[in-house]
Amino acid sequence: AQSVTQLDSQVPVFEEAPVELRCNYSSSVSVYLFWYVQYPNQGLQLLLKYLSGSTLVKGINGFEAEFNKSQTSFHLRKPSVHISDTAEYFCAVRLRSTGNQFYFGTGTSLTVIP
Amino acid sequence: NAGVTQTPKFQVLKTGQSMTLQCAQDMNHEYMSWYRQDPGMGLRLIHYSVGAGITDQGEVPNGYNVSRSTTEDFPLRLLSAAPSQTSVYFCATARWGTEAFFGQGTRLTVV
Repeated sequence: AQSVTQLDSQVPVFEEAPVELRCNYSSSVSVYLFWYVQYPNQGLQLLLKYLSGSTLVKGINGFEAEFNKSQTSFHLRKPSVHISDTAEYFCAVRLRSTGNQFYFGTGTSLTVIP
Repeated sequence: NAGVTQTPKFQVLKTGQSMTLQCAQDMNHEYMSWYRQDPGMGLRLIHYSVGAGITDQGEVPNGYNVSRSTTEDFPLRLLSAAPSQTSVYFCATARWGTEAFFGQGTRLTVV
């Protein structure tokens, strides 16, 4: 069975401070890893992805994430947040096996405080 | 390129009514899927398809039907709407081994 756990449902952080949004997964097969962002009343858009290669991946808007296979984690980081980063963030895995389904975490609401 | 188009954007149904949520894509993606998003529960997979003529159930398929007669379209049917189906529904498509692309969502209220 596959599952994605986002440990923090809400993360408040002051503007220009660093932030880390945590994501752990469990899967019986190998996976691809993704982070998506959702602004109010919009669909999800891709922040970054890990498909293979370097375990440190960089995405849009200054975000980065590191794949840690031994800890089955894919935490999202940004060194200095802006007001515009206030949004819902979702971690997702996609099975590399037959079916290729995506599974999503429950989301982390990031609020940047001026 | 329109990407992933969902219609309608908003819908109010009475309990027991049926309706179809439309999803169309112009990216020639093999994989298409439907999710529902509820507060505190993230996105839950309803049904998915890996190609025309092939569909399968996700985590929460009860009360929903799908079909995939073409690569481009993947409609989601609610057979007899219930208040528990009040949610925001997203269609997502993908090529093999890459990220998903999402539509803008359909906000459904069942009264």
